[in-house]
Amino acid sequence: TQLLEQSPQFLSIQEGENLTVYCNSSSVFSSLQWYRQEPGEGPVLLVTVVTGGEVKKLKRLTFQFGDARKDSSLHITAAQPGDTGLYLCAGAAGSARQLTFGSGTQLTVLP
Amino acid sequence: DVKVTQSSRYLVKRTGEKVFLECVQDMDHENMFWYRQDPGLGLRLIYFSYDVKMKEKGDIPEGYSVSREKKERFSLILESASTNQTSMYLCASSLGPEIYGYTFGSGTRLTVV
Repeated sequence: TQLLEQSPQFLSIQEGENLTVYCNSSSVFSSLQWYRQEPGEGPVLLVTVVTGGEVKKLKRLTFQFGDARKDSSLHITAAQPGDTGLYLCAGAAGSARQLTFGSGTQLTVLP
Repeated sequence: DVKVTQSSRYLVKRTGEKVFLECVQDMDHENMFWYRQDPGLGLRLIYFSYDVKMKEKGDIPEGYSVSREKKERFSLILESASTNQTSMYLCASSLGPEIYGYTFGSGTRLTVV
């Protein structure tokens, strides 16, 4: 069973600050995804990264896949209260038909 | 707008009851999944299906069964509900998880009393 560890588990910051969330594993993944989940809703896919070293940007969010495809990071610039939510990373490994999820990072951005 | 619809947002059942959670997707996806989400434990896979009438156990299938008689519908069944099955249940579908990821439903918060 592949495991994905996310850190930090909780993060509370002021509006305008920058932050980084990490997703690490000892296993290699063929792709890695990031989701955001708001209270009472299901997770929503933000991005998929598939190539080692790949960097993708989505407005103020920057996603990076590690060179060895074992880890990923999510960086948010100038966080806003609307960024508040649970951020989940998920990996696809080899021929597996399903994703393995990290335990999540609960982000709170205070106005 | 494509979506995954879960039949109930909130459900309260008694211990020992048989519980059905329904999930319907309108995207013609072959792959469908049931997860439960608990604080500190993340999303844990219960069952998944990659074709009609096909099913595979996930990481925590005990106490659950599933049914997929039609491509668009994937049902989760709690044979005899217990209090430790109180949780948020999330259904998802996918064209191919590796590249396309999952589309999730809004979830069913089940309380077993």
